[in-house]
Amino acid sequence: DAMVIQNPRYQVTQFGKPVTLSCSQTLNHNVMYWYQQKSSQAPKLLFHYYDKDFNNEADTPDNFQSRRPNTSFCFLDIRSPGLGDAAMYLCATSRDTSGGRTQYFGPGTRLLVL
Amino acid sequence: QKEVEQNSGPLSVPEGAIASLNCTYSDRGSQSFFWYRQYSGKSPELIMSIYSNGDKEDGRFTAQLNKASQYVSLLIRDSQPSDSATYLCAVNTLMNSGYSTLTFGKGTMLLVSP
Repeated sequence: DAMVIQNPRYQVTQFGKPVTLSCSQTLNHNVMYWYQQKSSQAPKLLFHYYDKDFNNEADTPDNFQSRRPNTSFCFLDIRSPGLGDAAMYLCATSRDTSGGRTQYFGPGTRLLVL
Repeated sequence: QKEVEQNSGPLSVPEGAIASLNCTYSDRGSQSFFWYRQYSGKSPELIMSIYSNGDKEDGRFTAQLNKASQYVSLLIRDSQPSDSATYLCAVNTLMNSGYSTLTFGKGTMLLVSP
């Protein structure tokens, strides 16, 4: 089945220790998104790639970076995690960014910062 | 700031009743609207999309859209305990970059009691 996969599902890191979250997709979609979702809050878009074109949201902290080495994979790097970065990180894909396109979500990675 | 507003709930209904979930949005230019279901600790799952004014039915679910009032709703008929989840309203938003993406509401928690 075509799907969006995220690894790991749970990640524990120490304050200030870099961490990388990964996302892969078999849908062959052009667009990949990273969202941050904290408890009882809306998913917050961090950035997205349209093919290799990177689009950073204005309020995404510099601490967050992303890489997309090929169509199938996208990585979220948190350079120096703080306690406030503990959240669920959601990867999503869509065929393109036209208004009607559905976004399909992976299962998420829950990040805990100690 | 383009916003999507939902009552956080919880909305409590007995099994077999109709649950009505509401959402308002601020961007008059939005053309596409989505309802996602999110179980606790899980990622969002698409329930329905709607693009035209009026009603759209899919099984026990009916989405209603009124663009003039900037209002979209989701009705769940014959509610089941398995419907207990948070329902996220998402609206397509044209970003400054020229790309279109989704803006999510915080979600309404639905509790269906047996």
